[in-house]
Order: sequence, then structure tokens, then C-alpha cells
Amino acid sequence: QTVVTQEPSLTVSPGGTVTLTCASSTGAVTSGYYPNWFQQKPGQAPRALIYSTSNKHSWTPARFSGSLLGGKAALTLSGVQPEDEAEYYCLLYYGGARVFGGGTKLTVL
Amino acid sequence: QVQLQESGPGLVKPSETLSLTCTVSGGSISSYYWSWIRQPPGKGLEWIGYIYYSGSTNYNPSLKSRVTISVDTSKNQFSLKLSSVTAADTAVYYCAREKYYYDSSGYWAEIDYWGQGTLVTVSS
Repeated sequence: QTVVTQEPSLTVSPGGTVTLTCASSTGAVTSGYYPNWFQQKPGQAPRALIYSTSNKHSWTPARFSGSLLGGKAALTLSGVQPEDEAEYYCLLYYGGARVFGGGTKLTVL
Repeated sequence: QVQLQESGPGLVKPSETLSLTCTVSGGSISSYYWSWIRQPPGKGLEWIGYIYYSGSTNYNPSLKSRVTISVDTSKNQFSLKLSSVTAADTAVYYCAREKYYYDSSGYWAEIDYWGQGTLVTVSS
């Protein structure tokens, strides 16, 4: 069974920079896994942020960026705002299947 | 602006079949993939499966024996059926739109729009 692993929790100061990662139990994450990133705030549906590794949706704030880093997919937030406190999920594509990571709870403190 | 809305019973008895429908407005159901995703209370997201507008499907292997996803293009709707439910199937169920396509720059895959989600509780 394929497992996608994210940091359970991270803390960042307002205005700071933080990188969240997404690893695959099958090996290095490449662009062929089409990493997607989503933000979810309490009581809300997830909101799409990044698709196919590094592409932003029209509504994605400029401070969010996606990349591949050290064999993992990565989501970097630069100039973190208090409203960025949320749960972040990555999604990887395995052929016809999709697998979500367990999520990273980002605290802005 | 594309909008998705889940509908269906909020309470299902154990061993029965969970049935949900997602209605798509503000755009056509054609030329896209349509997914179901769930989230047990306090836990993470789990992909259930998708259907292409033409009717082809793919399901999470762990749920495959119990899941059926169908599409009605005339109504701009797609549906989820999950049989033999237990308390472990209690979750918020989301529908979402997926795009998987090829252009001169290569292949792209994305989930962009989500429904607001509907809580389904399995209990007698």
C-alpha cells in the first residue's frame, strides 16, 4: 500500500518562510506524480493551491510556491500571514490512482 | 464560476448503501474527471475514486469492492454509491473536479474545484 508522508506539524512566525514536504513510499517524487497542494481551514472544504508541482491556480496568493526538493514535493510559503494557519495536504498521482498525504498542521505564531 | 454541491442522506444504517449525488453548476460536466473524496472526523483526506464524463472509472483499491461512481451528463450530475457501510465510513464526503490533459508543454493534472462537503454518519 502506497503511503504519502508529510510533516505532522510545523510552526512559523508571521512574515517568515516555511517549507512543507511530501514524500512517497515508492521512492523519489518526480513531476510525473503531478503533486497538488491544498489548504484546509477548520470547518471548510479544502482549497486548491498548487497543481502539477509548481503551477498556481488563478486564486493562489503569490507567496505560495511549489517545487521538487530532495526527492520530495515541496510547498513553500514566503512572508507568512496569520491567515495561512491551516492544514495543508499534498496529493500524488500513481497512474490511475491518487493518494493524499496525511496533512501538515501549520501554526503561525 | 464552477460550483459543486453534494446531496444525499446524512444518516445511513450499518450494512446499508450510502448514496450521494454531486450537482455541477456554472460549467459543463463534459471533458473533465469528477472525483469523490472523504474525510473522517478529525482525520485526513482519502481519495475514493473518479469518473470521466464518458463513464470510465477508477477506484481506491481499498474501497473498490464496495464503490460505484456513475455520471448523468444530461443532469450535470455524478453519483457515489458505497455498499455495506460501517461506522468507519462515517465522514464528510466531498466531490471535486479534476483536469488531466496534455499540451505543448507536457502533461498536467489538477484538482481545482471542490464541493462544500456533506457529513454522512453511519449509525443504527
